[in-house]
Parts: sequence; structure tokens; C-alpha cells
Amino acid sequence: QVHLEESGPGLVKPLQTLSLTCTVSGGSISRGGYYWSWIRQLPGKGLEWIGYIYYTGRSFHNPSLQSRLSISIDKSKNQFSLSLSSVTAADTAVYYCARGVYDSHRNIFDSWGQGARVSVSS
Amino acid sequence: DIQMTQSPSSLSASVGDRVTITCQASQDITTNLNWYQQKPGKVPQVLIYDASNLAPGVPSRFSGSGSGTDFTFTISFLQPEDFATYYCQQYEDLVTFGPGTKVDIK
Repeated sequence: QVHLEESGPGLVKPLQTLSLTCTVSGGSISRGGYYWSWIRQLPGKGLEWIGYIYYTGRSFHNPSLQSRLSISIDKSKNQFSLSLSSVTAADTAVYYCARGVYDSHRNIFDSWGQGARVSVSS
Repeated sequence: DIQMTQSPSSLSASVGDRVTITCQASQDITTNLNWYQQKPGKVPQVLIYDASNLAPGVPSRFSGSGSGTDFTFTISFLQPEDFATYYCQQYEDLVTFGPGTKVDIK
């Protein structure tokens, strides 16, 4: 069974870059039929999709974050990463990495990390 | 961008009640819609995929219907473990989650 785990600083200063890594175990990140996603949840709020990346390196981003966002994948380490620049307090959230699975019948997020709480504060 | 709305934003219900949540997309998403349940401090779990298909292991009291822009999620006989927040999510064009519906105890 695949396991995802987020890692990275829990505190980031305003206008700096938020960087998180998701380590995938129990399955190869290079396998087709999956995509690797970042989703966040602002305090007391709902879920916001940030973006996702395929093992090919092709990524798709939330248009509202596009200008500040980069998602990358390191197949040798079975990891994918998030970089969000010029952060403000509005980026304070729990950041989840998740695996998306797609086939002819479904397209769902079927596995999630436990979430990384990130605060933006000076 | 596809926007998703849900109603109500919250509701209070009793064990045994039938609960219905609606989700509306800003444009046609055919049946490219999932429903997730999230309990406090937990990660979301998919209940319904492709608008009306029950995910493996999910009790049959959960159901979904709809296509195009209007969707419905129903819990036919509310159980104590069903008190949670429910989100719809479209994947017709990128990904968008609805704002959520919190179901709490009356």
C-alpha cells in the first residue's frame, strides 16, 4: 500500500519561498496511471487544489497560484516537491500531498499524506 | 476556471435522518465529479466517484447522482460516524473542490 509523507519547514517568513517535499513509499512514482498532487487547507476552511505532476514531469497548476508555483518530481528519490514563492499570511495552511489515480472509470485522489502545517509569519 | 458551489454550507441532523447535499458546477462537467468525506483532524476519503459510483468499501447508504452542472449527494440513514464535512470535486478541467458542507449533530 502506498504511503505519502510531507516534509519541510513549518514556519516561513513573508515574501520567502515555501518548499515542501512529498516522499512516496510502497509504490513507484514513475508508474503510469497516477499523478502526484498538492492540496492545501486553510485554517478552518475547505480544500484548495494547488497542482499536480505526472511522472513525465508535465505539471498542471491552479491558475490562482500559477505565477508563484513550481512543482517538480525526482524519480530517483521517489519524491515530488512544491515551491511557492512570495508567500503571505494567506498561504498559512495544512499542505497535503496526494496521489491521483485515473483510468477509464475513475479519476480520484486515493492516497493522502497526513499533512504538513505551514505558517507564514515573521 | 470551473467554480463549484455546494448547499447547504452546514446542516444539523439526527441519527437515522436522510441527508441531501447539492453541488453545482459553473459549466458542464458531464459526470466528472467526486464526493469526499473529511472528519476533523483526518484526511479526506473518497466516497463517490464519477458522480454516482460507490468507492470500494463505502457503505451503501451513501449515494450520488447528477450530470452536467447539477449533482446530489445523499446519506440515506445517517449514522454517528457520518458527522463530517463533505466536499464535491470536479476533474473535468484541472481540479476544483466545492466549499464543503458540514454535517453536525442536531
